[in-house]
Amino acid sequence: GAVVSQHPSRVICKSGTSVKIECRSLDFQATTMFWYRQFPKQSLMLMATSNEGSKATYEQGVEKDKFLINHASLTLSTLTVTSAHPEDSSFYICSARDRKGGGGQETQYFGPGTRLLVL
Amino acid sequence: EDKVVQSPLSLVVHEGDTVTLNCSYEVTNFRSLLWYKQEKKAPTFLFMLTSSGIEKKSGRLSSILDKKELFSILNITATQTGDSAVYLCAVGGPGNQFYFGTGTSLTVIP
Repeated sequence: GAVVSQHPSRVICKSGTSVKIECRSLDFQATTMFWYRQFPKQSLMLMATSNEGSKATYEQGVEKDKFLINHASLTLSTLTVTSAHPEDSSFYICSARDRKGGGGQETQYFGPGTRLLVL
Repeated sequence: EDKVVQSPLSLVVHEGDTVTLNCSYEVTNFRSLLWYKQEKKAPTFLFMLTSSGIEKKSGRLSSILDKKELFSILNITATQTGDSAVYLCAVGGPGNQFYFGTGTSLTVIP
């Protein structure tokens, strides 16, 4: 099946620093990747949609200057949390869309997630 | 407003029981409904449903979609402790948007 990796799996940083999270599709090309965050015992919240070669589309309420997304290739998207603060501590998950066959059907496959703790 | 509602929010059963999880939705331009299982990390894909009335099965899990009544169910038979997880339902709408429900937390007691 399709595999999506994320790196790092866990990161602890000081307030004010920037953190980069990588999301890779390992065995398929993903023209579209999604970035979510998840707070404890809550569902996934879509932050932004990342399209290869173009600017990301951010959801309402998500600061694009704080959460920088780059989708430079068909297998890699990065999320950079700039000037991180304790309230940014969360579980960040990426997913990649794998378009299968005809009919426009597609499935999202998730990476394992990155747990960010900002001190 | 597009939304996805899952019920129940949590469920505790004994091993061997059968459970039914529900997902109802109101999403403009419905494309697909996906079920995921989430343990300690990211969700893992279970099923994708696009057509009404066609049951999808994988071992003890099965799911079906009713596009007229706008809901889906996920059945788990002969539950095991390893089935304990949060089960998420996501509905694909226009463009790239997927709407997630809040999930159903299932606990299977030995």
